[in-house]
Amino acid sequence: GENVEQHPSTLSVQEGDSAVIKCTYSDSASNYFPWYKQELGKRPQLIIDIRSNVGEKKDQRIAVTLNKTAKHFSLHITETQPEDSAVYFCAATNSNSGYALNFGKGTSLLVTP
Amino acid sequence: DTGVSQNPRHKITKRGQNVTFRCDPISEHNRLYWYRQTLGQGPEFLTYFQNEAQLEKSRLLSDRFSAERPKGSFSTLEIQRTEQGDSAMYLCASSTTDLNEKLFFGSGTQLSVL
Repeated sequence: GENVEQHPSTLSVQEGDSAVIKCTYSDSASNYFPWYKQELGKRPQLIIDIRSNVGEKKDQRIAVTLNKTAKHFSLHITETQPEDSAVYFCAATNSNSGYALNFGKGTSLLVTP
Repeated sequence: DTGVSQNPRHKITKRGQNVTFRCDPISEHNRLYWYRQTLGQGPEFLTYFQNEAQLEKSRLLSDRFSAERPKGSFSTLEIQRTEQGDSAMYLCASSTTDLNEKLFFGSGTQLSVL
């Protein structure tokens, strides 16, 4: 089955700096890669996703890149703000057989003022 | 709130008891998923339904676990003879079957088995 590795497990940046979180996946059939943000005690919320027919996607301060050959994808947050502090999860799945997402273990991001 | 709704939010039970959780998906979503999340980990897939049909079950779903979605709307997850290792957050999520479907999560049911 699919195995998703996520690094780093913790990340501390100063407000205004950029943050990058990286994930690798094992199943070459995976074609859908979402990123979720989870604040303490709250539900995971989808912040951005990318499908395998696209190499990069951007939404304001957030971008995701995908390298299908190397089987890795990354989340980039620019101009970080304290409210970006949360746990971020990457996930991968083959959407042709349902959306049973395989999640990474999460990255705890702390943005200090 | 028109998002995914889960009840109860918290459940404390004694080992050996049965518990049942309920999930109400977003109304137009025909896919419904159950995940389990323990502290410091990402959600782990348990099972999913398309309408009333249960299409996939993870090996994590032991025979003490059963999920139903009888009319293709709300779903229940029952755990029989609970064990301390069942303590976790049980998350429900729903989606459409559109080409651009996205998964939306509920707030979860936190289960504590004493």
